[in-house]
Amino acid sequence: KQEVTQIPAALSVPEGENLVLNCSFTDSAIYNLQWFRQDPGKGLTSLLLIQSSQREQTSGRLNASLDKSSGRSTLYIAASQPGDSATYLCAVGNGGSQGNLIFGKGTKLSVKP
Amino acid sequence: EADIYQTPRYLVIGTGKKITLECSQTMGHDKMYWYQQDPGMELHLIHYSYGVNSTEKGDLSSESTVSRIRTEHFPLTLESARPSHTSQYLCASSEYITGVLSGEQYFGPGTRLTVT
Repeated sequence: KQEVTQIPAALSVPEGENLVLNCSFTDSAIYNLQWFRQDPGKGLTSLLLIQSSQREQTSGRLNASLDKSSGRSTLYIAASQPGDSATYLCAVGNGGSQGNLIFGKGTKLSVKP
Repeated sequence: EADIYQTPRYLVIGTGKKITLECSQTMGHDKMYWYQQDPGMELHLIHYSYGVNSTEKGDLSSESTVSRIRTEHFPLTLESARPSHTSQYLCASSEYITGVLSGEQYFGPGTRLTVT
């Protein structure tokens, strides 16, 4: 059964710092991996989608990498801003369930001004 | 603008009442999903649909039911609400190409349900 783990559970950094959020998964037979942002009491905003054949995707200050063989993905945030404060969720499109997403518990990020 | 909508955003209701949570999307996506999320916990898939007249159960068992009569509409119903149903319910949609894969998922704002 696919399990997705995100470390750390919470992270507090000063504004301007570059940071890395980690995601690991137990079954490497995935179709894709998606990173989301969730603000308190809100829905999820899709940040980046990486297909299984890709190694990384970039959008603005965000860069996500995927290493299927080791079961890992990282989300790199450059020059963090207070507006980046949110919970970041990693989800893998599982091979055994028609690509349905399996979510981690998330990393709660706080960027201090 | 293409989007995904959920109503109501917040609902407080008494035990035993029947409720329907609405979800609509204007992106023309075939595949739609319902997730349940308790505070501080991960999202769990409770229902999904590949298209009109298709409904499937997700990974987490749920007493709720869903229907898909129109492509854009995927309502979730609880026949008799209980305090254990208190949670946030999130709807999502994505493209689906038969025999291939589900595409990027887009989420609605969620419905926070409280059953007293």
